[in-house]
Amino acid sequence: AAGVIQSPRHLIKEKRETATLKCYPIPRHDTVYWYQQGPGQDPQFLISFYEKMQSDKGSIPDRFSAQQFSDYHSELNMSSLELGDSALYFCASSLPSSFRTQYFGPGTRLTVL
Amino acid sequence: AQSVTQLDSHVSVSEGTPVLLRCNYSSSYSPSLFWYVQHPNKGLQLLLKYTSAATLVKGINGFEAEFKKSETSFHLTKPSAHMSDAAEYFCVVSEAGNQFYFGTGTSLTVIP
Repeated sequence: AAGVIQSPRHLIKEKRETATLKCYPIPRHDTVYWYQQGPGQDPQFLISFYEKMQSDKGSIPDRFSAQQFSDYHSELNMSSLELGDSALYFCASSLPSSFRTQYFGPGTRLTVL
Repeated sequence: AQSVTQLDSHVSVSEGTPVLLRCNYSSSYSPSLFWYVQHPNKGLQLLLKYTSAATLVKGINGFEAEFKKSETSFHLTKPSAHMSDAAEYFCVVSEAGNQFYFGTGTSLTVIP
């Protein structure tokens, strides 16, 4: 079965650089979620999109932005990277239903030097 | 307001013995409850979910959880631990919205 695809799987950047993470949801899933998981931390919800519109916003820094495109894939754009942005970034997708079980991708590990 | 409390940050069991990972939640309405597992350097994987059907939910890999509304609990159990069960486990609550609330996780160690 198709799963959530994230690219790249690993990314190394320097401080003040920008990064773009991509997420390709499971086919027919219309909702995408982004999570940040710092070292030894639980995943923190960043932002979600439903039918290409932002549906909910969590603890996403102002330096970050995201969008969902017409093919439902989503991109998380991160600017002015800081050392503290080093984390595992998960994308999840869900079906259009009331009980939105999320299926997670493998994550992108971002390291900021 | 929703919140999730995982009562143990670390649980250690011997291989072949039962596993109990505890989760309590608070929710204003009837919640959806989930357990996810995260193996090292892997993505989160759904173990099981409760969505107001049967209160005893069976998941993958022999795990199950029982929704107890009177106790606001959703503890995860498995009769016999396997070495491959060693991982981080997250209890998650949602009120049918687009935001999910994660517990702080329980690290399960399985001793051979």
